[in-house]
Amino acid sequence: EVRLVQSGAEVKKSGDSLKISCKGSGYSFTMYWIAWVRQTPGKGLEWMGIIYPGDSDTRYSPSFQGQVTISADKSINTAYLQWSSLKASDSAMYYCARGQLVDHWGQGTLVTVSS
Amino acid sequence: QLVLTQSPSASASLGASVKLTCTLTSGHISYAIAWHQHQPEKGPRYLLKVSSDGRHTKGDGIPDRFSGSSSGVERYLTISSLQSEDEADYYCQTWDTGMIFGGGTKLTVL
Repeated sequence: EVRLVQSGAEVKKSGDSLKISCKGSGYSFTMYWIAWVRQTPGKGLEWMGIIYPGDSDTRYSPSFQGQVTISADKSINTAYLQWSSLKASDSAMYYCARGQLVDHWGQGTLVTVSS
Repeated sequence: QLVLTQSPSASASLGASVKLTCTLTSGHISYAIAWHQHQPEKGPRYLLKVSSDGRHTKGDGIPDRFSGSSSGVERYLTISSLQSEDEADYYCQTWDTGMIFGGGTKLTVL
């Protein structure tokens, strides 16, 4: 069974750094892209970026380029989304998803940033 | 630039059928799309992929009530025998030079 299991909810302050994770299992992790998607209240789904764990090829949405860093450690089948300095506007639910045409989703990680 | 257009809302009665539409911009007629269901307080759930020729591939455990089809630049999701738990937001999604989502359709089951 394909599973994407994300790390737990986070509560941070503006200016803090943060790294959340997404662990894949039940398939060959290196052979599928992993995307990160943001959802904020009242808004739809926004694509942030995507990584191919096999060679770490990474693409970013222009809206998120320079704002976040996406990485992967294929030795432990895990992809990451990180911020170096959080803002209150980064408060959202974040999902990882498998594939360029998504066929599996993680359960989501809620990030709350207080100012 | 590829854009996916969805109606903001749709409604249908319990037990009835509903057909949701996702329209690709002209010039992108060959693109496949994926449909995802997003219920309140839950994560998105992949439903199925629809190719330009109308074939669809469903995700694991997706009931037969859900099906996909195509016509030109339109991609459809049909839900038959509507149940209360089908009330959710439905998003279409594809890939071009990046991942693209439609704006979503909020389905109300009456």
